[in-house]
Amino acid sequence: EAGVTQSPTHLIKTRGQQATLRCSPISGHTSVYWYQQALGLGLQFLLWYDEGEERNRGNFPPRFSGRQFPNYSSELNVNALELEDSALYLCASRSGTVSNQPQHFGDGTRLSIL
Amino acid sequence: GENVEQHPSTLSVQEGDSAVIKCTYSDSASNYFPWYKQELGKRPQLIIDIRSNVGEKKDQRIAVTLNKTAKHFSLHITETQPEDSAVYFCAACPGGFKTIFGAGTRLFVKA
Repeated sequence: EAGVTQSPTHLIKTRGQQATLRCSPISGHTSVYWYQQALGLGLQFLLWYDEGEERNRGNFPPRFSGRQFPNYSSELNVNALELEDSALYLCASRSGTVSNQPQHFGDGTRLSIL
Repeated sequence: GENVEQHPSTLSVQEGDSAVIKCTYSDSASNYFPWYKQELGKRPQLIIDIRSNVGEKKDQRIAVTLNKTAKHFSLHITETQPEDSAVYFCAACPGGFKTIFGAGTRLFVKA
């Protein structure tokens, strides 16, 4: 069974640019979660999608947005990049129909803002 | 609001000693508690989980205990080894599909 896959592995941008990060969930998983992890720190919840709808959003500005496609893959878009957006962005997926199941994480996209 | 507190933030133990990480959750509706291990530069990976109808669960050197009355749950690692060095995250799931993570514990196992 293929795990959660994220692309690209690394992304280098400059201030003010826009970044798009992609995530493919485990087959059969309909829920996708996005987290920001700054160096050495915890998992900050960004967004949760299920069945194409945004279910919940963390405490981040509107320039962080995303979407989920009919095949349940997801994109995270970050506009007007700032230096403090430099972090590891992790995607996780889980079953959307069976409750109390663990999230499974991808390897992340490391976003560096110059 | 929903919150999971995790302590300590950093833990240093000698190889062979035990390590204990404690978490407290706020939402009494939480009924599923997974634990993740994140090694340096890698993804968080599930190492053990417990559901609210169970008080304790063990898997080799790792065990998790749950006290629903006190809203506490803990991870116990016995006979620690250098490869146990990592960041550990606890989590609580209120309502089945939401996950609230603790802030993480950085465990150092000294050889």
